[in-house]
Amino acid sequence: DTGVSQNPRHKITKRGQNVTFRCDPISEHNRLYWYRQTLGQGPEFLTYFQNEAQLEKSRLLSDRFSAERPKGSFSTLEIQRTEQGDSAMYLCASSPGTSGDNEQFFGPGTRLTVL
Amino acid sequence: AQSVTQLGSHVSVSEGALVLLRCNYSSSVPPYLFWYVQYPNQGLQLLLKYTSAATLVKGINGFEAEFKKSETSFHLTKPSAHMSDAAEYFCAVSFSSNTGKLIFGQGTTLQVKP
Repeated sequence: DTGVSQNPRHKITKRGQNVTFRCDPISEHNRLYWYRQTLGQGPEFLTYFQNEAQLEKSRLLSDRFSAERPKGSFSTLEIQRTEQGDSAMYLCASSPGTSGDNEQFFGPGTRLTVL
Repeated sequence: AQSVTQLGSHVSVSEGALVLLRCNYSSSVPPYLFWYVQYPNQGLQLLLKYTSAATLVKGINGFEAEFKKSETSFHLTKPSAHMSDAAEYFCAVSFSSNTGKLIFGQGTTLQVKP
């Protein structure tokens, strides 16, 4: 299957620890997005890459969050000094082309629980 | 501010009944509009999208949606509900042709009763 994959699927950590998530987009998709979804809510945009360039970051992305997409392939999202409020599902999506109407293909998500 | 509103966080229908899930957006410029479905422990899957072509859009699994500019709405319908339609449904809009980032509604959980 050549869909979007995310690892790990689940992560339990203690408050104050650092965590890193990985997203492998569909091959040749030049756009990559990170969203956060809390229980009972729709996904909220975090950040966006066009190839390797991070072109937009939400105000939700505090200084403790950093994302990279080296060589325009996979992407990582790191959260430093985790807080209980960071507990959520982190979704990655990729999209071909450069138009706003392109479908985004979502991965299964990484569920983070901060104790 | 640009936003998306889904009326009704929970909708319950009987199997075989009409499904109607409501979505309204707030914008002076018609955006690109999408409906996604999310099954438990899975990612989001695209049902259909509106991109300024036909106002009535047909999607997968028998779903369709109609874009009404005057009402700033993009409601999702299905003539006859099936048990397998039980899931969470999200309306989303893209206001930016540059980034394509999506703004999602809060979601509607569809329950289908036998």
